[in-house]
Amino acid sequence: NAGVTQTPKFRILKIGQSMTLQCTQDMNHNYMYWYRQDPGMGLKLIYYSVGAGITDKGEVPNGYNVSRSTTEDFPLRLELAAPSQTSVYFCASTHRQARDNEQFFGPGTRLTVL
Amino acid sequence: QKEVEQDPGPLSVPEGAIVSLNCTYSNSAFQYFMWYRQYSRKGPELLMYTYSSGNKEDGRFTAQVDKSSKYISLFIRDSQPSDSATYLCAMSIGSSNTGKLIFGQGTTLQVKP
Repeated sequence: NAGVTQTPKFRILKIGQSMTLQCTQDMNHNYMYWYRQDPGMGLKLIYYSVGAGITDKGEVPNGYNVSRSTTEDFPLRLELAAPSQTSVYFCASTHRQARDNEQFFGPGTRLTVL
Repeated sequence: QKEVEQDPGPLSVPEGAIVSLNCTYSNSAFQYFMWYRQYSRKGPELLMYTYSSGNKEDGRFTAQVDKSSKYISLFIRDSQPSDSATYLCAMSIGSSNTGKLIFGQGTTLQVKP
């Protein structure tokens, strides 16, 4: 199993541009999450999904959109990129039956907005 | 008040030292307590988890949970340079319909040879 994969690894955007961060998991997990991580600030939840066709906002959803058309994929869309969106983005997943809710993380996408 | 508080450090210790990392929390409904380790430019990986109160040991690592004080700790014995990483505590109420975890800010640890 590849686990959780994310593309791209790095990206530089200009202010106002848009992009989609890709996330795929091959563990048949129901739940998927997008976090951003800023230096010294821990992980902040952007959006999450409990299954295909179901998404909900997390702590910091402004400026982002998500969709979940399949169990495997959970892309994150940035519209009109702003310097405040410079961060490292992590996708994670867990199984609905996991009592402890252990989440498995991807390697991250490092995004810079100039 | 944040739901989970963790001292961000950084923490620098000599090789072989005992390291203590801590988190406090406010939500008494938390049942599962986890420690994730994150190496530089990598995603977090689960290091240990504990259900409810008590201790759990795995090699050089010991996780402690004191629910009465809403306080959790991770101890690293005989610390090694390879332990240099950011350690994030995480908590959940367990068996929820969202699977969400609440994370601390993370503590950056450097173990010097």
